[in-house]
Amino acid sequence: KNQVEQSPQSLIILEGKNCTLQCNYTVSPFSNLRWYKQDTGRGPVSLTIMTFSENTKSNGRYTATLDADTKQSSLHITASQLSDSASYICVVRPNTGNQFYFGTGTSLTVIP
Amino acid sequence: DAGITQSPRHKVTETGTPVTLRCHQTENHRYMYWYRQDPGHGLRLIHYSYGVKDTDKGEVSDGYSVSRSKTEDFLLTLESATSSQTSVYFCAIRGDGGENQPQHFGDGTRLSIL
Repeated sequence: KNQVEQSPQSLIILEGKNCTLQCNYTVSPFSNLRWYKQDTGRGPVSLTIMTFSENTKSNGRYTATLDADTKQSSLHITASQLSDSASYICVVRPNTGNQFYFGTGTSLTVIP
Repeated sequence: DAGITQSPRHKVTETGTPVTLRCHQTENHRYMYWYRQDPGHGLRLIHYSYGVKDTDKGEVSDGYSVSRSKTEDFLLTLESATSSQTSVYFCAIRGDGGENQPQHFGDGTRLSIL
């Protein structure tokens, strides 16, 4: 079983609307949780990094939240733009070792 | 964008042939990683390096070897390619600023083994 599960698998929204992507994880204890954006044909790009002690982090129109008690994180996108169409990947770094646990991503499509 | 370049960007080869992918960085970062990305899977770590000549295995290292003779270059070799190694391969780098530094990824190499 994957230690990082993301939902929904895919999402279509209208331009200008808000949306929220979910990430549930079982990695414990963990050092940090990251959200990446991956455009088609490109490598992932870091959006936010939250340590286990943080519960929110913003980067422009992107806001990530973290609830370490329930082992859930969400990525909220405000006033979506066509350029937000991409895959969004949740990544958890455990406390020990050099492993990163990657979710399979949520594919977001923003339509005019 | 972080200075990270992967080559080649695309490659098609036959089963049983050796293949080497190159990752080149201009950031002087200590840590370098090789991942593969397949449908239905998150990125999976193949090998990583924590310095020149210092490498270690990731979760899917079978069939792959790596070398790092210079800070800026990290090579991934498939000694005898198999169809199961058809994938998109990403290199990533990370600086020395601690565990909370982001990884910066290259744009990937799409490898097809026929």
